Amino acid sequence: QKEVEQNSGPLSVPEGAIASLNCTYSDRVSQSFFWYRQYSGKSPELIMSIYSNGDKEDGRFTAQLNKASQYVSLLIRDSQPSDSATYLCAGRQYGNKLVFGAGTILRVKS
Amino acid sequence: NAGVTQTPKFQVLKTGQSMTLQCAQDMNHNSMYWYRQDPGMGLRLIYYSASEGTTDKGEVPNGYNVSRLNKREFSLRLESAAPSQTSVYFCASSPKAGGQDTQYFGPGTRLTVL
Repeated sequence: QKEVEQNSGPLSVPEGAIASLNCTYSDRVSQSFFWYRQYSGKSPELIMSIYSNGDKEDGRFTAQLNKASQYVSLLIRDSQPSDSATYLCAGRQYGNKLVFGAGTILRVKS
Repeated sequence: NAGVTQTPKFQVLKTGQSMTLQCAQDMNHNSMYWYRQDPGMGLRLIYYSASEGTTDKGEVPNGYNVSRLNKREFSLRLESAAPSQTSVYFCASSPKAGGQDTQYFGPGTRLTVL
């Protein structure tokens, strides 16, 4: 099993809908997780971090962490065409190393 | 405040040539990292430096060497480039040597090895 796994997509949602992105992780990854957004040809930029079980909200974004089931998700409310990008899930390993999933492509159609 | 900068932005090499990718950060961060990104593979850690004076191997270190020149600069060297090293290379930095902090990425270097 890969340490962090994501469905590559693409996930297509209509403008204004909720986009739900999911990520599962193995025992080799600690309980700190990050969601990065990456536009085509650009570098990853941090959207959300989550360390505790439960939900964390920031504007239109909500990160959810379920330690018992070993998954983390990102919800994007009121999706906009500008949200179209690749979303990378990352989990922390020993020594502040991050392990990244392969990313999910999100397409928001207007 | 430029953040994390990388040079060059693009590079084409022939098999067997060597080159050094440069990375610098002006945020006074302790830790620095080199990743490569290939289609369908996500970001993979090549080497990292938890603090000035230390370096450690990541997931895919073979064929690469690094130097943490000072707190600001962390370079990645390809001694004898191979086509398998064609990739986009990202440098990143984070404030602490350990703990729960964010990594900030540079703009990337797109490398092609013919």
